[in-house]
Amino acid sequence: GESVGLHLPTLSVQEGDNSIINCAYSNSASDYFIWYKQESGKGPQFIIDIRSNMDKRQGQRVTVLLNKTVKHLSLQIAATQPGDSAVYFCADVSGSRLTFGEGTQLTVNP
Amino acid sequence: DVKVTQSSRYLVKRTGEKVFLECVQDMDHENMFWYRQDPGLGLRLIYFSYDVKMKEKGDIPEGYSVSREKKERFSLILESASTNQTSMYLCASSLWASGGTDTQYFGPGTRLTVL
Repeated sequence: GESVGLHLPTLSVQEGDNSIINCAYSNSASDYFIWYKQESGKGPQFIIDIRSNMDKRQGQRVTVLLNKTVKHLSLQIAATQPGDSAVYFCADVSGSRLTFGEGTQLTVNP
Repeated sequence: DVKVTQSSRYLVKRTGEKVFLECVQDMDHENMFWYRQDPGLGLRLIYFSYDVKMKEKGDIPEGYSVSREKKERFSLILESASTNQTSMYLCASSLWASGGTDTQYFGPGTRLTVL
């Protein structure tokens, strides 16, 4: 079946560095992609989204890149802060349903 | 801001008990969802609903049922709880959007332990 997966389960960075979290998807018919952040003991929180007809979208300190040729999605976090430590999920949206990757644990070292 | 609330943050039940997990959203969203989240398995869709009194099975509906009597409330029911239903349960809601661009907003989760 279709799946969304993440390349690395963990990522450790120094405070102030930029972070890049990657995601591969397999459903070429995906309409839309979302990145979520989940802190320990909390529900996933929406960060940023991108439609399938775009290749880049920027938010506050975050940028999502979409490469449809290789079915790859990335989340870039600029000047990573301790408060960015969390699990990050990408999700593929087709219709009203989401397919989630397992998540990448981002740890920010002071 | 979208607000999705879940009735309990932590719940401990015994095997065989009937368990109700309640979810309420305050943004008049049409769609509501129940997921469970387990280490190594990610989020898996149990049931979802597009409208009042409508429900659709997700990927792992066995052992669960749902109820949506009002638009803002979506209940997950474990008819006879079992230890393998120990998990984090997450509710989400979304406003239907054309072009398949629904964003789901999540509640804080209920950590259920079945003894």
